[in-house]
Amino acid sequence: GENVEQHPSTLSVQEGDSAVIKCTYSDSASNYFPWYKQELGKGPQLIIDIRSNVGEKKDQRIAVTLNKTAKHFSLHITETQPEDSAVYFCAASMVSGGYQKVTFGIGTKLQVIP
Amino acid sequence: NAGVTQTPKFQVLKTGQSMTLQCAQDMNHNSMYWYRQDPGMGLRLIYYSASEGTTDKGEVPNGYNVSRLNKREFSLRLESAAPSQTSVYFCASSNPLAGGKDEQYFGPGTRLTVT
Repeated sequence: GENVEQHPSTLSVQEGDSAVIKCTYSDSASNYFPWYKQELGKGPQLIIDIRSNVGEKKDQRIAVTLNKTAKHFSLHITETQPEDSAVYFCAASMVSGGYQKVTFGIGTKLQVIP
Repeated sequence: NAGVTQTPKFQVLKTGQSMTLQCAQDMNHNSMYWYRQDPGMGLRLIYYSASEGTTDKGEVPNGYNVSRLNKREFSLRLESAAPSQTSVYFCASSNPLAGGKDEQYFGPGTRLTVT
């Protein structure tokens, strides 16, 4: 099955600096790569996603890159703000057994220091 | 539009007790999921329902059962709770699109402690 590795597990940055979270996946059949943000006491929420036929996608301060050959993808947050503090999960998704199977990384706890 | 709702928010059980976690969505989604979240292990799929009337095992189904009551509701049952089932449980729903995009909408979670 798919295996998603995510690092670092914790990340502290000064407000205004950039943060980068990296993930690798194992199964080349994965074709959709979402990133979720989980705030304390809440469920995860999608913040950005990328399909396997796209190399990069940007949405304001957030960008995701995908290298299919190397099987890795990354989340970049620029000009970090205190409200960016949360746990971020990467995921890799593929059609398996008739449904879109999602495998999550273990999460990165991001702390933005004011 | 409440999205995905879960009850209860918190629960403490003794070993061997049973309980049902309830989940409902009002987005007319076809697919629903139950995950558990444990420190250092991310989100792991317990069971899913690709559409009304179908359910299938995920990565960690042992000790659980599910019921897709109708399109809106998907419940998770612990028949005989064990301390290893202490976790935070999330329900999610989605409408997978052709081409792979599948944004899952998560509920607020149920924090379960088994003593």
